[in-house]
Amino acid sequence: NAGVTQTPKFRILKIGQSMTLQCAQDMNHNYMYWYRQDPGMGLKLIYYSVGAGITDKGEVPNGYNVSRSTTEDFPLRLELAAPSQTSVYFCASLPGDREATEAFFGQGTRLTVV
Amino acid sequence: AQSVAQPEDQVNVAEGNPLTVKCTYSVSGNPYLFWYVQYPNRGLQFLLKYITGDNLVKGSYGFEAEFNKSQTSFHLKKPSALVSDSALYFCAVRDGEGFKTIFGAGTRLFVKA
Repeated sequence: NAGVTQTPKFRILKIGQSMTLQCAQDMNHNYMYWYRQDPGMGLKLIYYSVGAGITDKGEVPNGYNVSRSTTEDFPLRLELAAPSQTSVYFCASLPGDREATEAFFGQGTRLTVV
Repeated sequence: AQSVAQPEDQVNVAEGNPLTVKCTYSVSGNPYLFWYVQYPNRGLQFLLKYITGDNLVKGSYGFEAEFNKSQTSFHLKKPSALVSDSALYFCAVRDGEGFKTIFGAGTRLFVKA
């Protein structure tokens, strides 16, 4: 059981380039989340999804897009990379029973924009 | 809106001594409260949660936390710290009626041998 898998683990982008951070979970969880982690700032919620075809903005959505075509996958898209998007990105998932449990996290993607 | 505050950037404690990592929260409905731990270059790992019931909840690795509704706090505690407890600790809150989990800024725990 792989849990939550993020790819790539590391990436360096040039300003203005685009990329997609991949996130996949094999636990049949309905809820999925993208967070970014900056030093001293904790985790900030970028986007989340409560099921296939349903997404919503979190605390810091500007500069990002998401899609949720399947239960398993929740990719995060950066269209025009900016230095302010240098961060560590974490994907997380939860079962459909909102009361039940804690979130399961991926190992993170460290992104540097230069 | 939900919010979480962890007032201490770092907590230093000697091995064998008790530790406390503080957390206060704000939500509009009934809170679901969580503590997570992060080791270097790793994702977050769940420690414990409060959903309802007994205000003192026990979790992994000997950690416990006390829910205090009147003070809107959920402090993490351990009776005897280990050097291996040194890590970054995050408090998180989810509104019981909602879907979003909001995290605090994190507190770095340093346990000295």
